[in-house]
Amino acid sequence: AQSVSQHNHHVILSEAASLELGCNYSYGGTVNLFWYVQYPGQHLQLLLKYFSGDPLVKGIKGFEAEFIKSKFSFNLRKPSVQWSDTAEYFCAVNLMNRDDKIIFGKGTRLHILP
Amino acid sequence: ETGVTQSPTHLIKTRGQQVTLRCSSQSGHNTVSWYQQALGQGPQFIFQYYREEENGRGNFPPRFSGLQFPNYSSELNVNALELDDSALYLCASSFRRGTNTGELFFGEGSRLTVL
Repeated sequence: AQSVSQHNHHVILSEAASLELGCNYSYGGTVNLFWYVQYPGQHLQLLLKYFSGDPLVKGIKGFEAEFIKSKFSFNLRKPSVQWSDTAEYFCAVNLMNRDDKIIFGKGTRLHILP
Repeated sequence: ETGVTQSPTHLIKTRGQQVTLRCSSQSGHNTVSWYQQALGQGPQFIFQYYREEENGRGNFPPRFSGLQFPNYSSELNVNALELDDSALYLCASSFRRGTNTGELFFGEGSRLTVL
């Protein structure tokens, strides 16, 4: 079955710490990859996306992610987190087949301590 | 703001009833996807509508059905409600090119409680 796995369900960091959130997917075909973020009380919004080209993609607010095709991974990184990064982060994969659905991981809840 | 609006924002139903949730997609978008998000979980794909036809479905029973209208707005209908249907229902619109659904723009969601 096609799935998206996020390794960390809950992460707590101090401000200025570095962040890496893991995401793996199980699908052998062509994919588009996304990270979405949900800040407290707000709707889901896009952080960054990968469609093709450079596997290292940069998004908003200093976030970046690297697509490693051989590892079926798309990990999210930020060198120095801020208190305002406290949110829930979702990895999502668009399975480029006739169903063409975007499936989400279970999410990682990130708490940044001031 | 994404330009995707959903109604109602909250509603309470009892088991066995039927519910209709509505979504207006962002201007210029041609595809609507519906997701169910239970508490503490990621969004689960219900189905996608493109050009007024269902274009992909997740692991949801037939009592979950939908429509897309010529103006690309959409409805999600759930019949014979069960307690486990209690969740946040998210609508997301996008502009699909070929087989690429594109970036999803989400609404605020409709929170359904089934008693």
